[in-house]
Amino acid sequence: GENVEQHPSTLSVQEGDSAVIKCTYSDSASNYFPWYKQELGKRPQLIIDIRSNVGEKKDQRIAVTLNKTAKHFSLHITETQPEDSAVYFCAARIKAAGNKLTFGGGTRVLVKP
Amino acid sequence: GAVVSQHPSRVICKSGTSVKIECRSLDFQATTMFWYRQFPKQSLMLMATSNEGSKATYEQGVEKDKFLINHASLTLSTLTVTSAHPEDSSFYICSARVGQGREGYTFGSGTRLTVV
Repeated sequence: GENVEQHPSTLSVQEGDSAVIKCTYSDSASNYFPWYKQELGKRPQLIIDIRSNVGEKKDQRIAVTLNKTAKHFSLHITETQPEDSAVYFCAARIKAAGNKLTFGGGTRVLVKP
Repeated sequence: GAVVSQHPSRVICKSGTSVKIECRSLDFQATTMFWYRQFPKQSLMLMATSNEGSKATYEQGVEKDKFLINHASLTLSTLTVTSAHPEDSSFYICSARVGQGREGYTFGSGTRLTVV
């Protein structure tokens, strides 16, 4: 089955700096890669996603890049703000495997004011 | 659009009792519902996939007789934790594909289960 590795597990940045989280996946059949933000005790919230036929996607301060050859994808948050503090999860989906998502281990991001 | 309503949000039960968690798709038909368990400071681990009108598919290591899943309609899937024990205490969350030509998944608000 699919295996998703996520690094780092914790990330502390100064407000205004950039944050980068990296994920690798094992199955080349994965075709959809969402990123979620989860606050304590709440549901995951989709912040950005990318499909396998696209190399990069940007939405204001958030961007995702995908390298299919290397099987890794990254989340980039620029001009970080204290409200960006949360746990971020990457995920990968194999459509042929019932469309289920496999999640990375999560990254706890702390933005220090 | 594409909202999944999950209840209860919190439940405390005694060891040995059963607890039912419901997830309803409010404005779309969820032919498939994914059930996850999340322990504190850990990731979401898929437990099972429920499909409307058929048996659920369980992930390796998940006891199907302990975690009963029913998906009797296109808008309702339930997870029953039977004979709950303290080690079953966790955050349970359901998810469904948005569908209708759109990518993405919508999540329920989660159920915090505490077994005492």
